[in-house]
Parts: sequence; C-alpha cells; structure tokens
Amino acid sequence: GAGVSQSPSNKVTEKGKDVELRCDPISGHTALYWYRQSLGQGLEFLIYFQGNSAPDKSGLPSDRFSAERTGGSVSTLTIQRTQQEDSAVYLCASRLPGLAGTNEQFFGPGTRLTVL
Amino acid sequence: AQTVTQSQPEMSVQEAETVTLSCTYDTSESDYYLFWYKQPPSRQMILVIRQEAYKQQNATENRFSVNFQKAAKSFSLKISDSQLGDAAMYFCASQNAYSGAGSYQLTFGKGTKLSVIP
Repeated sequence: GAGVSQSPSNKVTEKGKDVELRCDPISGHTALYWYRQSLGQGLEFLIYFQGNSAPDKSGLPSDRFSAERTGGSVSTLTIQRTQQEDSAVYLCASRLPGLAGTNEQFFGPGTRLTVL
Repeated sequence: AQTVTQSQPEMSVQEAETVTLSCTYDTSESDYYLFWYKQPPSRQMILVIRQEAYKQQNATENRFSVNFQKAAKSFSLKISDSQLGDAAMYFCASQNAYSGAGSYQLTFGKGTKLSVIP
C-alpha cells in the first residue's frame, strides 16, 4: 500500500512569511509524529498525535509552530513568521497504535524548507 | 530525558568489507528500545534494525547486526559484506518502552555518513 506522503517536497520562502507543510499518514495509522532535521543534526521531535487524544506538543520550539490533524488523518504543520533558523527538513512519521517499539514508525520523504 | 551520541561523523568502507558504526546512549529508563535507521539521499528514513533492551541476544537482520552492551550503554551497528547501496547517513535512536503521555517519540543521534568505496 501507499506509504507516508508529504507535500511540498521543497519549499522556499522569505523571512517573515507563514508556511504550511502537509503530511498524509498511512491509512489506519492513528499515531502521527512530526520531526525536524536541521543541517548536520539528527531528527528532533516536534509534536505527536494519537487518535482523538490531546497532542503532545512538548517538542515545539516556539509558539510560531503549530500543528493540527483533521479527521484523525491528514496533518498540517504551520510555521508563522518564518526565521532563517527554521530552515530544515521536516519529516512526518506514522505508526499503528500500541506499545513503543512494537509498531514501527514509517517516515515520509520530508519537506525541505529554506527560509531566505 | 534520553540522549544518543554518535561520535563518528563520517566513515568509509571498501565494498565487500565490514564496518562498525558506534553509538552510545543515556537513559534513566529500565526498559527501552534502540534502533538504527538509514537515510539515503532521498531523505526517506528506513529502519535497519531494532533491539529491545530487555533482550540479551543481539539483533541481526541479514548483513546487519548489533553489539548491544547494556551496562556500557553502547549500541554499535556492524555491516558485513558492504554494498554500494549501503552508502547513506545512519542514525542511532532510542525510545522509551513506557511513556506516560504515550508519545513514544524517537530520540536520535546526529548521524554517521557512510561511504562505500568500489
């Protein structure tokens, strides 16, 4: 079946503009994650959604970052008033519900965001 | 909080040879999972191998195996018979087995870039 998809693949924006990044998880995967990968760094957790539960926003770096998940499926990560340090690859992952490590996180190809 | 450290930013290996990538981690949890992910230029993160901390036996997946030293908090990846397609970034990651919030997010190291020389 189809994997996790993300759009756009690449996004170039000007400092101060808002951007929206989209993630389509694998069908049936109720758990969804956003990670950020800055240049030369590992992935950094941003936010987690599980079904209808309140999201875990503990990884969001500032209040300029927000995310929502509509209908338990598609998720949108929004960055307001973008800054140059927001330039990174934003990766989405989804998995079936269940205990940690039991169900693999499947990653999308990411969105490369460049803030000029 | 968990931390993962990969001390080798870059490694290279001759095709058909064996290479070992190092990873150390720190956690206060008694039960957790450890992973190695591969990230080729396509950016797609691919799970290579997974180790459950409560299992003594080292995980293996075909040419990939780990050396899990729980007391030393070390988790190295060995790639045998290296192939050109193995060239990629490799990330070590950890995950709590039990999370109050149920997030089970992965904590990653900074990665090791592996080059395979023909």
